[in-house]
Amino acid sequence: EPEVTQTPSHQVTQMGQEVILRCVPISNHLYFYWYRQILGQKVEFLVSFYNNEISEKSEIFDDQFSVERPDGSNFTLKIRSTKLEDSAMYFCASSEGAGPYGYTFGSGTRLTVV
Amino acid sequence: ILNVEQSPQSLHVQEGDSTNFTCSFPSSNFYALHWYRWETAKSPEALFVMTLNGDEKKKGRISATLNTKEGYSYLYIKGSQPEDSATYLCALVTGGYQKVTFGTGTKLQVIP
Repeated sequence: EPEVTQTPSHQVTQMGQEVILRCVPISNHLYFYWYRQILGQKVEFLVSFYNNEISEKSEIFDDQFSVERPDGSNFTLKIRSTKLEDSAMYFCASSEGAGPYGYTFGSGTRLTVV
Repeated sequence: ILNVEQSPQSLHVQEGDSTNFTCSFPSSNFYALHWYRWETAKSPEALFVMTLNGDEKKKGRISATLNTKEGYSYLYIKGSQPEDSATYLCALVTGGYQKVTFGTGTKLQVIP
């Protein structure tokens, strides 16, 4: 069964450092998403991406965040200057279309900012 | 900010019992409702995508219903098994299918 792959599974970074979280969505999927879950809280939408551009983003997705699909297979989330409150589980997801399609999630990257 | 509520927050049932839980959401600007099962240390797995008022979907012992007019969906598990133990998330899709708001989840523990 096709999978969404995320690397690394766990990243520890110093406050103020830049991090890049990587995802390889399912190859025939067209829509890509990042979500995060801070420990003990709800899963939160960050951003959706289609046709090489952001189609929706949440209030959380400020100028510190950016997404890119650099080579047609990877989908990355960059956090420019990490803060303690960025510590969370970050999930990438993809879907084959807009509309009534479920998302396939990756297994997540646990980001710890110290 | 959309409010998607799930109840109960957690549930313990005996193996073989049937159970159900609720997802409540604002009914305006509705596009779809997703249900996911999320086992510890794994990624959320899509169970159902529901779009029409009155939709009923079934997958094995798990089924779901949708009422978009009153803003709720029920998930039912018949004859719970220990492998059903997981957190069940509902997610409301708005904003042209590309913005998803998750509920808080219902954590189910099935006791053998």
